[in-house]
Amino acid sequence: QKEVEQNSGPLSVPEGAIASLNCTYSDRVSQSFFWYRQYSGKSPELIMSIYSNGDKEDGRFTAQLNKASQYVSLLIRDSQPSDSATYLCAVRVGGGADGLTFGKGTHLIIQP
Amino acid sequence: GAVVSQHPSWVICKSGTSVKIECRSLDFQATTMFWYRQFPKQSLMLMATSNEGSKATYEQGVEKDKFLINHASLTLSTLTVTSAHPEDSSFYICSAQRGGYEQFFGPGTRLTVL
Repeated sequence: QKEVEQNSGPLSVPEGAIASLNCTYSDRVSQSFFWYRQYSGKSPELIMSIYSNGDKEDGRFTAQLNKASQYVSLLIRDSQPSDSATYLCAVRVGGGADGLTFGKGTHLIIQP
Repeated sequence: GAVVSQHPSWVICKSGTSVKIECRSLDFQATTMFWYRQFPKQSLMLMATSNEGSKATYEQGVEKDKFLINHASLTLSTLTVTSAHPEDSSFYICSAQRGGYEQFFGPGTRLTVL
């Protein structure tokens, strides 16, 4: 059974601060990891993908992966009120033909 | 790039009728598309994997005779919910695979079955 665990929150962060979102997964052979942002009533929007251990930065976002600990995180620097959303961690075990297993998401609130 | 569209964006139907949802990749070709379902306050659950020119692969617990999937071309996959019932009311979202790595999601279709 593939499982992806996230703290549901809400996680409240002041504007301008760093938001840290965490995710753990159960299947050791997972190969690909994704962070999606979902606004209420909308579909998920891809923020970051990461495939190898370490950090990957894209603008204000940094994804971190530690396969030994089965842990992936997302840091959002200089948080803005528009970052308020639910952040979904998704994992793919196999190659490109496999679907994604999603966590339940962390509800992030950026306080102005 | 990587735009995926869905049609319709919302649909209301009577119990027992069938509903077809279209998913299109607008600016890239997708040999693989996926269909997910999301109930209120829950996360996305993969229903099936759709491959162009072959039969769809369904996840455990998803009835293939109820949720018919056709992937007729590299840019179009359709999901037909047959004999829909109120418990099928949900947010149906497709995604298209680009380059074997990243999945891009359509805007979703909100289905309400009365």
